[in-house]
Amino acid sequence: GENVEQHPSTLSVQEGDSAVIKCTYSDSASNYFPWYKQELGKGPQLIIDIRSNVGEKKDQRIAVTLNKTAKHFSLHITETQPEDSAVYFCAAGGTSYGKLTFGQGTILTVHP
Amino acid sequence: NAGVTQTPKFQVLKTGQSMTLQCAQDMNHNSMYWYRQDPGMGLRLIYYSASEGTTDKGEVPNGYNVSRLNKREFSLRLESAAPSQTSVYFCASSDGTGAGEQYFGPGTRLTVT
Repeated sequence: GENVEQHPSTLSVQEGDSAVIKCTYSDSASNYFPWYKQELGKGPQLIIDIRSNVGEKKDQRIAVTLNKTAKHFSLHITETQPEDSAVYFCAAGGTSYGKLTFGQGTILTVHP
Repeated sequence: NAGVTQTPKFQVLKTGQSMTLQCAQDMNHNSMYWYRQDPGMGLRLIYYSASEGTTDKGEVPNGYNVSRLNKREFSLRLESAAPSQTSVYFCASSDGTGAGEQYFGPGTRLTVT
């Protein structure tokens, strides 16, 4: 089955800096790569996703890049703010009934 | 429109006790999922239901059973709880037509002593 590795496990940045989280996946048939943000005590919420026919997607301060050949994708957050502090999960899927395989998560802390 | 709701929010069980976690969605979604979240291990799929009347095992199904009661509801049952099942459990749903966004409930924090 699919295996998703996510790095780093923790990331600490100063407000205004950029943050980058990277993921690799193993199943070349995967074609959907979402990123979820989880705030303390809540369920994960989708912040951006990308499909395999696209190399990059942006939404205001967040962007995701995908390299299908190398089987890796990354989340980029620019001009970080304290409210960006949360746990971020990458995932891969699209091969079976919407099933997703998640990475281990990254705890992002943005210091004011 | 409440989205995905889960009950209870918190539960403490003794080893060997049984319980059912309830999940309901009001988005008319076809597919529903149960995950467990443990520190450093992300979200792991326990069971999923691609459509009403069908259920399939995920990555970590041992010790659990599920029921897709109707299109709205998908329950997770622990028949004989073990300390290794201490975790936060999330239910999610999606429209199931291929790959797309999953919507998550608020979670149930379960402790087994």
